[in-house]
Amino acid sequence: AQSVTQPDIHITVSEGASLELRCNYSYGATPYLFWYVQSPGQGLQLLLKYFSGDTLVQGIKGFEAEFKRSQSSFNLRKPSVHWSDAAEYFCAVGANGNKLVFGAGTILRVKS
Amino acid sequence: EAGVAQSPRYKIIEKRQSVAFWCNPISGHATLYWYQQILGQGPKLLIQFQNNGVVDDSQLPKDRFSAERLKGVDSTLKIQPAKLEDSAVYLCASSFHARYEQYFGPGTRLTVT
Repeated sequence: AQSVTQPDIHITVSEGASLELRCNYSYGATPYLFWYVQSPGQGLQLLLKYFSGDTLVQGIKGFEAEFKRSQSSFNLRKPSVHWSDAAEYFCAVGANGNKLVFGAGTILRVKS
Repeated sequence: EAGVAQSPRYKIIEKRQSVAFWCNPISGHATLYWYQQILGQGPKLLIQFQNNGVVDDSQLPKDRFSAERLKGVDSTLKIQPAKLEDSAVYLCASSFHARYEQYFGPGTRLTVT
């Protein structure tokens, strides 16, 4: 069965600093991979997705993610974090008709 | 384009009571999903509909949870009777078709006391 691990429960970065959120997945075939962001009291917003092709994927709000099959990873990056990026971030793997399996999430805090 | 709508946004009930949640997906989206998100965890799929048919309900506690999607548009999720461990946010999502990205509603926060 597919699974997703987000090793970091909390991450704190300074505004303007770079960010990398880690995601490792387990799935036997070629996965569909997603990053979602959730602000307090809100639903999940799709940041970016990987279905196939170029392993470096660009998303909204200046985020990007790189699919590395050899490491079973799909890490999310942003070169310069803004205070408004503070939220919870979820990595998800899709399979079996697009059933999504989510990681436990990483809470991002941004300090000024 | 209107997003996924859910109501109510918040609900507080006592254990053993019943509760129902409503979801209206994005127009034209054939696939609808209900997720349960317990505090500190990622969302977990409860049930997936394709039009008005159930595709996957393997993680739905069928002794107390039920869901329907009449006419392949709106959907309701019901819990009867509720338990304390049902306290969670219930998220509805829709996609144009399975294998396409899912769009989420704001969720319903349920507190069972």
